[in-house]
Amino acid sequence: DIVMTQSPTTLSVSPGERATLSCRASQSVSSNLAWYQHKPGLTPRLLIYAASTRAPGIPARFSGSGSGTDFTLTIGSLQSEDFAVYYCQQYDNWPPWTFGQGTKVEIK
Amino acid sequence: EMQLVESGGGLVQPGRSLRLSCAASGFTFDSHAMHWVRQAPGKGLEWVSGLSWDSGNIGYADSVKGRFTISRDNDKNSLHLEMNSLRPEDTAVYYCAKGNGPRTFHYGMDVWGQGTTVIVSS
Repeated sequence: DIVMTQSPTTLSVSPGERATLSCRASQSVSSNLAWYQHKPGLTPRLLIYAASTRAPGIPARFSGSGSGTDFTLTIGSLQSEDFAVYYCQQYDNWPPWTFGQGTKVEIK
Repeated sequence: EMQLVESGGGLVQPGRSLRLSCAASGFTFDSHAMHWVRQAPGKGLEWVSGLSWDSGNIGYADSVKGRFTISRDNDKNSLHLEMNSLRPEDTAVYYCAKGNGPRTFHYGMDVWGQGTTVIVSS
């Protein structure tokens, strides 16, 4: 199975600052990677698919990059509504699809 | 509006069975892969199972293989998860999720239900 490793586990950021989240795959997943935002009590939200394509309705401050084994989610200028847990997920090789363990973005 | 509504969760004893259902609306159900994803208390997201739009391609996580069975009824726009031999570690919120894009397993999951809670305990 492909193991997805996210770093850091927790990221403390001030509103208006830039946040950079990393995701590494144990083997190449090409560009078959998605990012999700998950807030407590709410449903997960697809942000990015195909490593860099924003899902409909996702603000431009969210951007994804990378291919192969190393990926990055960047939030350009953090808004109050962006504080949440973010997960990467590979869909290159199934079963199983696998998620990273998550990065919690918290207010500094 | 695309919508997924799960049902069937509850408290069940170890070793017993439970059947989850997911009612879909607002999109062409028989054109999309569908998935179950769970989140155990205090843990991250775990993909559980998925199947293609025509049920011809089905996959399971190792943790549930041989115990859980996914199925769909395209005439009734519904997805199901039959869970047998339940264990305490199966305790989680179970989400139904729609594959992003028609007739493909690529591009992730773009619509999620609110989830149904399964608690396995004696």
